[in-house]
Amino acid sequence: QVTLRESGPALVKPTQTLTLTCTFSGFSLSTSGMCVSWIRQPPGKALEWLARIDWDDDKYYSTSLKTRLTISKDTSKNQVVLTMTNMDPVDTATYYCARIPGTPDDAFDIWGQGTMVTVSS
Amino acid sequence: SYELTQPLSVSVALGQTARITCGGNNIGSKNVHWYQQKPGQAPVLVIYRDSNRPSGIPERFSGSNSGNTATLTISRAQAGDEADYYCQVWDSSTAGGVFGTGTKVTVL
Repeated sequence: QVTLRESGPALVKPTQTLTLTCTFSGFSLSTSGMCVSWIRQPPGKALEWLARIDWDDDKYYSTSLKTRLTISKDTSKNQVVLTMTNMDPVDTATYYCARIPGTPDDAFDIWGQGTMVTVSS
Repeated sequence: SYELTQPLSVSVALGQTARITCGGNNIGSKNVHWYQQKPGQAPVLVIYRDSNRPSGIPERFSGSNSGNTATLTISRAQAGDEADYYCQVWDSSTAGGVFGTGTKVTVL
């Protein structure tokens, strides 16, 4: 059974750096074609794709946020980590990680439950 | 950057057919995926690569994609189909993911 679970702080202050961890099971990120992405959703708004890391350690970022984002993986721990610098109240959102199982242009077939992050002083 | 446009809302009578469109420049050349999101829950994949249903998704959900419009069709709509629906593609120029603006489906 494939599962993903996001973890991280529920509250961060403006200008701080957010670090989120996606811990997964049921698949290996070293398998050819496997990828994991981060997606966020501000309250009442649409989904927004943030970043993706591939099995071969290729990394891709949202063009509008790329200067603030870093994605990495620890294959031995089955974890993907996203850091976002210089947090602002507009970054308040539920953050999801999701798996892409086949080819890099495939769908997000399994999602984590999401973790809500509030940015406030 | 690539953009996907969806209607804000679609209403459908119980048992009838709902069609949700997703507009994008030459979207017919891309693989389109559709997600259903109910309040307070994570999105769930309902259609992948234009017209394929994951296991466990009812046959009432179908998809098509041509030209500048992709369409998700919900046949014999049920109360449980009320949700937000998002289309999604990968932008080949940036290798980034792109989500549509989202459509709220109401079953009357």
